Amino acid sequence: EPEVTQTPSHQVTQMGQEVILRCVPISNHLYFYWYRQILGQKVEFLVSFYNNEISEKSEIFDDQFSVERPDGSNFTLKIRSTKLEDSAMYFCASRGLAGSTDTQYFGPGTRLTVL
Amino acid sequence: SQKIEQNSEALNIQEGKTATLTCNYTNYSPAYLQWYRQDPGRGPVFLLLIRENEKEKRKERLKVTFDTTLKQSLFHITASQPADSATYLCALGGSQGNLIFGKGTKLSVKP
Repeated sequence: EPEVTQTPSHQVTQMGQEVILRCVPISNHLYFYWYRQILGQKVEFLVSFYNNEISEKSEIFDDQFSVERPDGSNFTLKIRSTKLEDSAMYFCASRGLAGSTDTQYFGPGTRLTVL
Repeated sequence: SQKIEQNSEALNIQEGKTATLTCNYTNYSPAYLQWYRQDPGRGPVFLLLIRENEKEKRKERLKVTFDTTLKQSLFHITASQPADSATYLCALGGSQGNLIFGKGTKLSVKP
């Protein structure tokens, strides 16, 4: 069964450094998402991406964040200058065309630790 | 603002019993609602989706109901097993297809 993959599984970085989190969505999916989950808290929406542009973003997704689909398979989240409070699990999700299903399939996550 | 509440942070039940988890929402009329399972340190795993015009959906030992008047969904696991122990997340569909999650209910099934 196709699945969303994410790399790395764990990223440790120093405050102020840039990080890039990578995702490979399910191959025929068209909508892509990033979510984050701070330890012990709920999963929070960051950004959605469709047709090579951001379709919606939350208040969390400020100028420090950016997303890109550099080729036909990868979907990346960049944090320009990490802060301690960026430490969280980051999940990528994808879904196909709306209609028959609106299900989002999540990747296993990247645990980001900012020191 | 939109608010989702899952009534229990934790639910402990005996193996073989039916677990019932509740999800209530306010200030929103979602077109659909989804339930996910999350194990520690892992991503949410999709279980069931129910649309606003559906009252009930079943999949094996799982059943979901959706009452748009009460703004509530109930999630049932029948004949529960220790392997069902996990956190269960309720999520509403946002306007752009993004999901709005509840905090989850941690289910523990004791043998």
